[in-house]
Amino acid sequence: DSGVTQTPKHLITATGQRVTLRCSPRSGDLSVYWYQQSLDQGLQFLIHYYNGEERAKGNILERFSAQQFPDLHSELNLSSLELGDSALYFCASSVAGGEQETQYFGPGTRLLVL
Amino acid sequence: QKEVEQDPGPLSVPEGAIVSLNCTYSNSAFQYFMWYRQYSRKGPELLMYTYSSGNKEDGRFTAQVDKSSKYISLFIRDSQPSDSATYLCAMSGWSAGNMLTFGGGTRLMVKP
Repeated sequence: DSGVTQTPKHLITATGQRVTLRCSPRSGDLSVYWYQQSLDQGLQFLIHYYNGEERAKGNILERFSAQQFPDLHSELNLSSLELGDSALYFCASSVAGGEQETQYFGPGTRLLVL
Repeated sequence: QKEVEQDPGPLSVPEGAIVSLNCTYSNSAFQYFMWYRQYSRKGPELLMYTYSSGNKEDGRFTAQVDKSSKYISLFIRDSQPSDSATYLCAMSGWSAGNMLTFGGGTRLMVKP
């Protein structure tokens, strides 16, 4: 158990809908990262937050957004969902967000868009 | 071409075999190299972490980094059926951004 929690574990929804994925980092970690894992693209970085502020963006679609709250939990919002958004979404956390730090991954949320 | 290339496998070996997993990369800014293990439907868990070139050993696992060749390896000695999983190499570097860049993963099956 990495100490990173994610809810829900599974999500089934329809095209055009909006969903929110939630992540709680390990105790003491200030940085949260979101990744998407799909069969064709592998594990790809989406966005990084540090202590409530956005630090870096990767291959994140404009339909997706995220935020980190004062209690350090983070939410990833996916809107206008398409079939191709079906994937595993992972959250990871680290102490401060330096490139040398270990990132600890949560169990993931499996999203299926029908 | 992807920044990090990894043979997808699957790689099937008998129990007790030595396993060699490899990744090549193109971005010379990468300085930190990791191997993650991912069991089916689970999150990746960190196995090995190496900074710059060199070797690191931890139990049955040895990680090697050759920055001059942009090539990293993970060796598993005395492989066990419980080692059956997908192995992902990952790397990061200050000038490459703080995010991890992953290889596509190699699926390993160790048969009893």
